[in-house]
Amino acid sequence: NAGVTQTPKFRVLKTGQSMTLLCAQDMNHEYMYWYRQDPGMGLRLIHYSVGEGTTAKGEVPDGYNVSRLKKQNFLLGLESAAPSQTSVYFCASSKLQVERGTYEQYFGPGTRLTVT
Amino acid sequence: AQSVTQPDIHITVSEGASLELRCNYSYGATPYLFWYVQSPGQGLQLLLKYFSGDTLVQGIKGFEAEFKRSQSSFNLRKPSVHWSDAAEYFCAPWGGYQKVTFGTGTKLQVIP
Repeated sequence: NAGVTQTPKFRVLKTGQSMTLLCAQDMNHEYMYWYRQDPGMGLRLIHYSVGEGTTAKGEVPDGYNVSRLKKQNFLLGLESAAPSQTSVYFCASSKLQVERGTYEQYFGPGTRLTVT
Repeated sequence: AQSVTQPDIHITVSEGASLELRCNYSYGATPYLFWYVQSPGQGLQLLLKYFSGDTLVQGIKGFEAEFKRSQSSFNLRKPSVHWSDAAEYFCAPWGGYQKVTFGTGTKLQVIP
C-alpha cells in the first residue's frame, strides 16, 4: 500500500515552460487535493476534486489547471510557468465522509518546483 | 470569514521539557479540528483530530490536544519533548465542503 505518491520529486523550469505534476493514490479515496506550500504561509489549496471527472477551484487556482480522469490520479498542470509558482506542491487525498470521524487527509511527499 | 491562527512562528524547547503549541480559530460553528506534523523534506502526517465528545484527545507520538470552545482554541501539548519532535506543526480546522484550512505553522526546535 503506497498511499499517496507524487511525480516528480524535483523539477526546475524556465519561465514560460509547461509541466504536469502527477498524484496517485491507492486507497480508493474519493477526494483529492493540490496544495502549495510557501514559507510563512502554511498550505494553500489550489484545486480539489470530489470524484472522478470533477474538479473545483480552491484558494489560489490562477495559473494552474487540473484533471481527474481516473479516480486514483489527480494531475496538476502549469501551462506557462512563472517565478511566482516556485513552491513545494503537495497532493492529498481523503475518504468520502460518510459519518463523523472518518475525515482526514493523507499527504504525498511533495514536489519541489523552481521556476527561473 | 473562517480563519485559523498559530501565533507562534518558531518555538525552541529543551529536550525533556514540556511543550504547548497554540491554535485559535474563527468559524461560524465548531469545526472539526486537526493537528498535522511535517518533518523536514516530508509531507504532512496526522497527529490527532477532534470531532466531538471528550475535549482532550490523544494522538500519536505522545501528543495530546485540548479543545476549548469558550476560547476557540485547540492547543497541542506534549509533557516531555524528544529531539525527534523537531518539525513544523500545523493546526487545521475543517468547516465543511471537503476543504481544510491550514494555519501558517509553528516550527519547533529542540535543543539538548
